[in-house]
Amino acid sequence: GDSVTQMEGPVTLSEEACLTINCTYTATGYPSLFWYVQYPGEGLQLLLKATKADDKGSNKGFEATYRKETTSFHLEKGSVQVSDSAVYFCALSEGSYIPTFGRGTSLIVHP
Amino acid sequence: SAVISQKPSRDICQRGTSLTIQCQVDSQVTMMFWYRQQPGQSLTLIATANQGSEATYESGFVIDKFPISRPNLTFSTLTVSNMSPEDSSIYLCSVEGQGAGGYTFGSGTRLTVV
Repeated sequence: GDSVTQMEGPVTLSEEACLTINCTYTATGYPSLFWYVQYPGEGLQLLLKATKADDKGSNKGFEATYRKETTSFHLEKGSVQVSDSAVYFCALSEGSYIPTFGRGTSLIVHP
Repeated sequence: SAVISQKPSRDICQRGTSLTIQCQVDSQVTMMFWYRQQPGQSLTLIATANQGSEATYESGFVIDKFPISRPNLTFSTLTVSNMSPEDSSIYLCSVEGQGAGGYTFGSGTRLTVV
């Protein structure tokens, strides 16, 4: 079945550092890929998405590119802020099927 | 996209009791989803709730333990019955996004069973 693997956290960075959170997936078809963010005490929010190979999703300075050849969808940001501290979930969805989520990666950004 | 109000936001409950979690959506939706998020784990789908029919449960979850109501197109409840410490988790409701893809989630209910 479908699965999503994320790098273990927590990831601890200083403000303005570069961020990469790795995500790889296995799927039987051609899924859409998502990154969700969960701020402390809140539910998950959709951060960005990509629906086909080579698509780049972007939002709030975050980017991720759908790499079919490496089955990856790594999340990147060039300069993180303290307010980016949250848990980030990679997910995939095939057609109208309910998403499959990774375990989440906690990001802690220090001033 | 839809906005979901979920309550309670957190609760501490005695083992053997039950807790009912409510989710109210600001628009009509066909399907609502209930997830469990155990500490350090991914989200696990409990069940899918359609209005006017019984919920569809995923493997490992049963109606007697997690009864769900879906009385109309904007509201659903999940009850965690006969709780044990192993039920301590965050419970989330979700609906499918409207045209933007992805899913919208409630703010979650952090349940601790003592």
